[in-house]
Amino acid sequence: DQQVKQNSPSLSVQEGRISILNCDYTNSMFDYFLWYKKYPAEGPTFLISISSIKDKNEDGRFTVFLNKSAKHLSLHIVPSQPGDSAVYFCAARTSGDYKLSFGAGTTVTVRA
Amino acid sequence: DSGVTQTPKHLITATGQRVTLRCSPRSGDLSVYWYQQSLDQGLQFLIHYYNGEERAKGNILERFSAQQFPDLHSELNLSSLELGDSALYFCASSWDRNTEAFFGQGTRLTVV
Repeated sequence: DQQVKQNSPSLSVQEGRISILNCDYTNSMFDYFLWYKKYPAEGPTFLISISSIKDKNEDGRFTVFLNKSAKHLSLHIVPSQPGDSAVYFCAARTSGDYKLSFGAGTTVTVRA
Repeated sequence: DSGVTQTPKHLITATGQRVTLRCSPRSGDLSVYWYQQSLDQGLQFLIHYYNGEERAKGNILERFSAQQFPDLHSELNLSSLELGDSALYFCASSWDRNTEAFFGQGTRLTVV
């Protein structure tokens, strides 16, 4: 049962433009959300997170938006850079739990 | 470098065999998690240990087992291997539930 879904397996974007990655979840108990970035032959690395008490969190070029009523979050990368080409995973957990539920990932390709 | 070390990086073995994957968490982290990533799938949570004790189990097969030792390193044992067990196995560690998990580079297991 996939509780976190990333429906776009891939995204191609021009360098300098905005990348928007989407993630939907079904478990209303999730209250903490994270984005991880993964390069080939490496483990996922933490990018940015958001608690359910917020609707936006910003860190440099990365902003995560949370819409609890729609059970939807998105990651915006502005401006996109070639080094951003990677697989991005959305993850979520409940406050009483350590484990993360991951989406299947979105492969981002930034074109020069 | 996340500080989480996994060995070996690659493992090729035959069906029916048994293998052990090893993980050394970041210094000071008490929690160790194991995840499995099959082809084109998200990371699936297997098991969580905290300071030597099992805390949560996910979709872990009975043929799989894990433990965390007093020095906090962890091992994931996979037995009676099947072709479908071929996957990337990631270990992650964290200090507590309020901090993000850091992932190792993974062990790529190929069962032939």
